[in-house]
Amino acid sequence: DSGVTQTPKHLITATGQRVTLRCSPRSGDLSVYWYQQSLDQGLQFLIQYYNGEERAKGNILERFSAQQFPDLHSELNLSSLELGDSALYFCASSNRDDYEQYFGPGTRLTVT
Amino acid sequence: AQKITQTQPGMFVQEKEAVTLDCTYDTSDQSYGLFWYKQPSSGEMIFLIYQGSYDEQNATEGRYSLNFQKARKSANLVISASQLGDSAMYFCASQSPGNKLTFGGGTRVLVKP
Repeated sequence: DSGVTQTPKHLITATGQRVTLRCSPRSGDLSVYWYQQSLDQGLQFLIQYYNGEERAKGNILERFSAQQFPDLHSELNLSSLELGDSALYFCASSNRDDYEQYFGPGTRLTVT
Repeated sequence: AQKITQTQPGMFVQEKEAVTLDCTYDTSDQSYGLFWYKQPSSGEMIFLIYQGSYDEQNATEGRYSLNFQKARKSANLVISASQLGDSAMYFCASQSPGNKLTFGGGTRVLVKP
C-alpha cells in the first residue's frame, strides 16, 4: 500500500458527460501528480500541483482541469468526455522535488 | 524534453534466473532522476528503484539493481533470482527538473516455472 488513495476505482460513463476523480496523497506529501495511461498513448503526465498551486502542465486537454485543496487532496475533472478518454488515471505524490513518486491504485475510466 | 526508450516489448525468463531490462534515455538536463516501476496485472504502479544522475554508485534494492551507464545514457534494471510474482509490466522513467515523470513504453516480463 503506497498510502495514496484514489476514488472511485472504476467509473463507467457516457460520451459528453463530466466526471471528477479524487486523490488523497500520502501524509505529509505536498506534491500531487496526475498521469493518464491509455493503450495508444502509454503513460503520460497530465498536471502537477504543489501545496495548492499548479506547478507543471503536460499533455492535458483543455476539457480537463484539476485543483489541489487546502487539505492537499486533489481532484481531476474531465468534461465533454470522448471515447478516447477511456484510460487508467493515476495520481502520485511525493514529499520532495527530487524523490520518488508514490502512485495510487488508479481510477479506470470507461467512456461508452 | 526527455525521452525514454525501452526496446524489449516482452520477454520470458526462467524462475530463479536473472533478467536485464533495457532502458535508454535522452535528456539535455544536467540533473535528473531515473526510476523503475512495476505494474502487475492488477494495474497498480509499484516503485522499485531510483538512481540520481550524480550518484556514482549503482542503486540496489533487494533483488533489484540498476546498471547506470551515464555516458551511454542507459539505466538497465537487473532482477536477480526471478520469482513467479515478478511477472508484470516494467516501466523505466526519468524525472526532469520540473519533476514530472516521463515513461518508456514498458517491457512485459513473464516468469516461467
